[in-house]
Amino acid sequence: QVQLVESGGGVVQPGRSLRLSCAASGFTFSTFAMHWVRQAPGKGLEWVAVISYEGRDDYYADSVKGRFTISRDNSKNTVYLQMNSLRTEDTAVYYCVKGVSMVQPESWGQGTLVTVSS
Amino acid sequence: NFMLTQPHSVSESPGKTVTISCTRSSGSVADSYVQWYQQRPGSSPTSLIFEDSERPSGVPDRFSGSIDSSSNSASLTISGLKPEDEADYYCQSYDTTNHVVFGGGTKLTVL
Repeated sequence: QVQLVESGGGVVQPGRSLRLSCAASGFTFSTFAMHWVRQAPGKGLEWVAVISYEGRDDYYADSVKGRFTISRDNSKNTVYLQMNSLRTEDTAVYYCVKGVSMVQPESWGQGTLVTVSS
Repeated sequence: NFMLTQPHSVSESPGKTVTISCTRSSGSVADSYVQWYQQRPGSSPTSLIFEDSERPSGVPDRFSGSIDSSSNSASLTISGLKPEDEADYYCQSYDTTNHVVFGGGTKLTVL
């Protein structure tokens, strides 16, 4: 059974940084792409980033490119999202999602809330 | 890049059938697979349909997906509506540069 547990969310001031973590279990982590998808309060889903199974390739939404970095540690079954230069519009629940592929999210974590506010 | 447009909301009575559309703004809907997700209030999304019309194990066959090239859209059809189907539904596809695209979501109300 796939389990994805996000952590690291919280309240942060604009311009500051935050790192999210997602601990995975219940599947062979090192063989699957991993995504981050966010959802602003009361809004729809917005894809943020994806990383390939071995960590060699990554892609980002235009809204976060150059500010966010996705990475993974297959020895720890963990994927990360480093978020720099945070803006108020980055306020959202951030979901870690196991991917069937680089373009198909499949199984979702419970999410962690990031609030960017002064 | 392209957009996926969904109706903001739909409503139908229990036992009836409802269809939610997802229209691709440019390029062909057949160019890349469409997925559908269900998000019940207060919960994380779950996978309903993948690769246009395939159901993950455990998803009832009341849920079906299709694409229509003439309207350049994908559709999610839910038959035999139940109160627990009341949720937000999102379509998703991707472009040629490995960017994932979500539709804006449709709120289904089961009257």
